[in-house]
Amino acid sequence: EDQVTQSPEALRLQEGESSSLNCSYTVSGLRGLFWYRQDPGKGPEFLFTLYSAGEEKEKERLKATLTKKESFLHITAPKPEDSATYLCAVQVRGSTLGRLYFGRGTQLTVWP
Amino acid sequence: DTEVTQTPKHLVMGMTNKKSLKCEQHMGHRAMYWYKQKAKKPPELMFVYSYEKLSINESVPSRFSPECPNSSLLNLHLHALQPEDSALYLCASRSGFGQGRYEQYFGPGTRLTVT
Repeated sequence: EDQVTQSPEALRLQEGESSSLNCSYTVSGLRGLFWYRQDPGKGPEFLFTLYSAGEEKEKERLKATLTKKESFLHITAPKPEDSATYLCAVQVRGSTLGRLYFGRGTQLTVWP
Repeated sequence: DTEVTQTPKHLVMGMTNKKSLKCEQHMGHRAMYWYKQKAKKPPELMFVYSYEKLSINESVPSRFSPECPNSSLLNLHLHALQPEDSALYLCASRSGFGQGRYEQYFGPGTRLTVT
């Protein structure tokens, strides 16, 4: 059974305190892994797509990496405006019409 | 431009009402999705349209009725909803299949409350 697990469920960081969020997956074949940011009451905002092990993508204070079993979202020197829920999703090879399997998300709080 | 728009932003309806949610994208995407999201849970797939044809219905109750009038528009017609249907309803789109881009872009959502 295809599965996506995110950890931790919640993370509190002081401003400037770097850390990483984890997304582990067990799927029959990975087509793509996606990271989204979601603010309360709003739709998920697309951040990154990773396709193969060893791939890395960066955007401002965020860096996403991918191995054969997991992905990390590294947050360097976070600011309070980085507070949000970060969702990881995977698309499996051969999946019907781009179906995404979501993790339950990591709720990140950055305090000043 | 990667914008997906949804209207209305908020909707309160009684259990006997009929209402519709609307979604629009102008990215030329040929796949469009409806999701339902409850608090502190990930989005849950409801329907998928591919090239304006309903391709996936995730066993959604018939009180939810999707419609795709053209390649840019997606509607979700609501009738006789239950209080447990209260949720954030999200629309998403992605480029057509076989075009090498797999990410879905989400709209801001419609917060639905059923009284």
